[in-house]
Amino acid sequence: SAVISQKPSRDICQRGTSLTIQCQVDSQVTMMFWYRQQPGQSLTLIATANQGSEATYESGFVIDKFPISRPNLTFSTLTVSNMSPEDSSIYLCSVSQAAYEQYFGPGTRLTVT
Amino acid sequence: ILNVEQSPQSLHVQEGDSTNFTCSFPSSNFYALHWYRWETAKSPEALFVMTLNGDEKKKGRISATLNTKEGYSYLYIKGSQPEDSATYLCASEGQGFSFIFGKGTRLLVKP
Repeated sequence: SAVISQKPSRDICQRGTSLTIQCQVDSQVTMMFWYRQQPGQSLTLIATANQGSEATYESGFVIDKFPISRPNLTFSTLTVSNMSPEDSSIYLCSVSQAAYEQYFGPGTRLTVT
Repeated sequence: ILNVEQSPQSLHVQEGDSTNFTCSFPSSNFYALHWYRWETAKSPEALFVMTLNGDEKKKGRISATLNTKEGYSYLYIKGSQPEDSATYLCASEGQGFSFIFGKGTRLLVKP
């Protein structure tokens, strides 16, 4: 298994500002992902964070809004840019090291006012 | 169905009651079915992963079954305890590591 930490655990931000969320894993992993869960909705994949190359975004998510960095195999950041109240969500990073497995971080609870 | 549907949305039971939840998922492009337990402010915890029709998995008082032909899975909790209170998520995994999550079932077990 992998132990994943995220910072911050929660934040309240004003609209129009940006927040960068950090994800740290205790071991090197190839696959790292970013999800969000809007209130009352399902966990939805934002993008796959690729080490050494640009992230791969899912339909409906764009790099200008959610820039992602992956400088090495244990760390990634997700930035939520130019925030609006609709960005209020729980953001989670996850990793996978083998088939059929996915481990999640504890999440970052974001409220945009 | 194209989405993963979970029912009920929430459930309140008394300590000692047994309960079960349902997860319906697309039967096409099916690779695996995952159940997670998610407590507030903690990481979602993997409970089970099932791949074959008829699979049954058990961990203590919690068990799960899988029917891939009709596209559903059941999660059972026997003798619910307050510490079982959490949101239970199911996710259908397709080929290419594509996960579709349900909205979860929120369980509250009253002492």
